[in-house]
Amino acid sequence: AQSVTQPDIHITVSEGASLELRCNYSYGATPYLFWYVQSPGQGLQLLLKYFSGDTLVQGIKGFEAEFKRSQSSFNLRKPSVHWSDAAEYFCAVGAMDDYKLSFGAGTTVTVRA
Amino acid sequence: ETGVTQSPTHLIKTRGQQVTLRCSSQSGHNTVSWYQQALGQGPQFIFQYYREEENGRGNFPPRFSGLQFPNYSSELNVNALELDDSALYLCASSAGPGGPQHFGDGTRLSIL
Repeated sequence: AQSVTQPDIHITVSEGASLELRCNYSYGATPYLFWYVQSPGQGLQLLLKYFSGDTLVQGIKGFEAEFKRSQSSFNLRKPSVHWSDAAEYFCAVGAMDDYKLSFGAGTTVTVRA
Repeated sequence: ETGVTQSPTHLIKTRGQQVTLRCSSQSGHNTVSWYQQALGQGPQFIFQYYREEENGRGNFPPRFSGLQFPNYSSELNVNALELDDSALYLCASSAGPGGPQHFGDGTRLSIL
């Protein structure tokens, strides 16, 4: 069965500092990996996705993520955080022949001035 | 490009009642998936509809049912509502069952 672990429940970062959110997955086949962001009271917005190829993927809002098969990880990074990045971030795993996404429990990011 | 839209935004029901939630898929998308997100948790997969048929189902009881229409819009029906059904219900559409899923803003369901 597929599963996703986001080890950090809550991260606080200063505006302008770098951010890294961890994601570890368990999946028997070649995974498709996703990062979504959710602002309070809203749905999920797709930040980036990895299907195959280059293991460093670029997304929207200046985010990037690196797929490391040997570590079963797909960590999300941003070099310089803005106050508007405060939100809940979810990592998810799926596959081309799978019909569902499995999500982690999420990481809440707080940005301090 | 029209995104995924869900209605209603909020809903309050009492135990034992039935509810229908609606979702319009993003243009060009033929697959709709439904998720339940309890407070403080990640979304949990309920089921997916592709070509008007259920294409997969998560660990939810039969009182959770759905439909997909020829225009690819979808409904989620929940019978005999329980207190634990209180959650944000998210609809996502994709261009095919394995495609990247794009989510609506959800319906907040509260059970009293």
